[in-house]
Amino acid sequence: GAGVSQSPRYKVAKRGQDVALRCDPISGHVSLFWYQQALGQGPEFLTYFQNEAQLDKSGLPSDRFFAERPEGSVSTLKIQRTQQEDSAVYLCASSLGVAGGISNQPQHFGDGTRLSIL
Amino acid sequence: RKEVEQDPGPFNVPEGATVAFNCTYSNSASQSFFWYRQDCRKEPKLLMSVYSSGNEDGRFTAQLNRASQYISLLIRDSKLSDSATYLCVVRKGSNYQLIWGAGTKLIIKP
Repeated sequence: GAGVSQSPRYKVAKRGQDVALRCDPISGHVSLFWYQQALGQGPEFLTYFQNEAQLDKSGLPSDRFFAERPEGSVSTLKIQRTQQEDSAVYLCASSLGVAGGISNQPQHFGDGTRLSIL
Repeated sequence: RKEVEQDPGPFNVPEGATVAFNCTYSNSASQSFFWYRQDCRKEPKLLMSVYSSGNEDGRFTAQLNRASQYISLLIRDSKLSDSATYLCVVRKGSNYQLIWGAGTKLIIKP
């Protein structure tokens, strides 16, 4: 498909397990963002990649969260030793060019991964 | 206090009516403003950007009031398919980070 693809769509894990969430952005998109959306809230920024470079990880809640985009396309968000408060929808978005500046490039979102920690 | 605040609703509106809701933002350095729409269990989708002079896209009109630091969205002749959560989004200066409101839920009833 032509849009942002995320997998799995749903993930259930036991507390303490590690999980990996995948994002396949729109082909050729330079910028990639990860967001966390709790129930009834707007998305919260986690991290930003420009190609393979992680330029901002200030939104990652703890050092249990790790994201990578080694070849500048597919990205993986990994959560180690999951806790119940990690339960949320994790959204990935991509945009065509370099984000920021005067450009208001739209961010295209994937369907998200709904993570439930038991 | 959250940086971007919205009335969570829900706004229950009969089909064909006009509905408007606001969003306030706290950071005066905010430069770019957007309305996104999110359907239940789906991803947010850009509805429209908001420009200083106000802008219209079909039945949708967005306004920005910098002095009072609020953004509004007006929907005319509402359709059942307009039922969704509307998220107000703000970007500070040239920063790429988007700051999201929690959304206003709109329910259009036949």
